[in-house]
Amino acid sequence: KAGVTQTPRYLIKTRGQQVTLSCSPISGHRSVSWYQQTPGQGLQFLFEYFSETQRNKGNFPGRFSGRQFSNSRSEMNVSTLELGDSALYLCASSLFFQRGGQDTQYFGPGTRLTVL
Amino acid sequence: AQSVAQPEDQVNVAEGNPLTVKCTYSVSGNPYLFWYVQYPNRGLQFLLKYITGDNLVKGSYGFEAEFNKSQTSFHLKKPSALVSDSALYFCAAKNNAGNMLTFGGGTRLMVKP
Repeated sequence: KAGVTQTPRYLIKTRGQQVTLSCSPISGHRSVSWYQQTPGQGLQFLFEYFSETQRNKGNFPGRFSGRQFSNSRSEMNVSTLELGDSALYLCASSLFFQRGGQDTQYFGPGTRLTVL
Repeated sequence: AQSVAQPEDQVNVAEGNPLTVKCTYSVSGNPYLFWYVQYPNRGLQFLLKYITGDNLVKGSYGFEAEFNKSQTSFHLKKPSALVSDSALYFCAAKNNAGNMLTFGGGTRLMVKP
């Protein structure tokens, strides 16, 4: 079974631009979560989607948004990019949100975003 | 609020020796605990998890972890380290309230030949 895929793998943008990252979950997985990884802040939760609905949101400004499609694929968008948005953005999928904490999240390879 | 601590930024061990990577957690309700490994320029790879039951959990690549409720710890262990185990290890936790993982800061494991 194919793993979580993320596109693109690398992105370079300038301040003020916006960016859209894409994530395809493992086949059959219905929950998709996004995390930001930086050297200073570590791994931080951005948001989670299940059945095209945002279920949880982390402590990030409104410039960070996302959505999920009917096939469970997800996108996240960052508008008005800032230098501090440079990070590895990781997508994770899990089988069934309603099992709550017991689900294992499987991560994609990430998208490395550099903001100049 | 949930929190996870990994007290060591780096652990050095000789190949063939046992290794331990430490993790403590603070979670309301029943904790669900996970270990992930990250190799350079890669995402996180799932190693093992504790949900309930046996306090000793066995996972991939010979790794195991011991859940200790009284000490709120979930240390990762391996009886005999390999050079290829050198990587960044993350402990993570969540509870029944949802699917959000709270991560520790990570521990870099260096296994020397």
